[in-house]
Amino acid sequence: AQKVTQAQTEISVVEKEDVTLDCVYETRDTTYYLFWYKQPPSGELVFLIRRNSFDEQNEISGRYSWNFQKSTSSFNFTITASQVVDSAVYFCALSTNAGKSTFGDGTTLTVKP
Amino acid sequence: GAVVSQHPSWVICKSGTSVKIECRSLDFQATTMFWYRQFPKQSLMLMATSNEGSKATYEQGVEKDKFLINHASLTLSTLTVTSAHPEDSSFYICSAQGQSFYEQYFGPGTRLTVT
Repeated sequence: AQKVTQAQTEISVVEKEDVTLDCVYETRDTTYYLFWYKQPPSGELVFLIRRNSFDEQNEISGRYSWNFQKSTSSFNFTITASQVVDSAVYFCALSTNAGKSTFGDGTTLTVKP
Repeated sequence: GAVVSQHPSWVICKSGTSVKIECRSLDFQATTMFWYRQFPKQSLMLMATSNEGSKATYEQGVEKDKFLINHASLTLSTLTVTSAHPEDSSFYICSAQGQSFYEQYFGPGTRLTVT
């Protein structure tokens, strides 16, 4: 069975601070994909990144960066210089070859001006 | 990019009635679609896997007779909540799978309120 743990339920920061959202996963599959999604109050999931189990390269996209470490089964997400518009619920998810996704409980990020 | 739509966006129904929610892949064909349910301030939980032309596979604890899934074409899957009750009030989200299993495209969700 797959499991995704997002230990941080809520995080509150002040604008321009950096913030890291943690994600730890469990799976017995050797091939899997990890995802991060943003869910604003409207509810629609916004895809942020996908990373496969064979690619441990970290990735940076603008103010967003992701650190994937298989040794610790972690896929952490950092927002640099946070902005109010970053306020949302962020989900980490795991998908194996069955296609269905297992989601973490989500981290609610509040960025205060 | 691939687009998935859901209809309706929100629906209010009376207890005991049935509600149908549609999930469409607009610009690609999806042999597999997934239905998730999200209660307020909770995570997304997979309800069932919908395969075109065959019976849906339900996750443990999901009543298949209550949540009827039909995947009649490569671009449409429907979820019917039968005899809805207030505890069925939730946010229902579908995803459509692209050519590879890791290509998952989520719909915007349907908010169901049962009064």
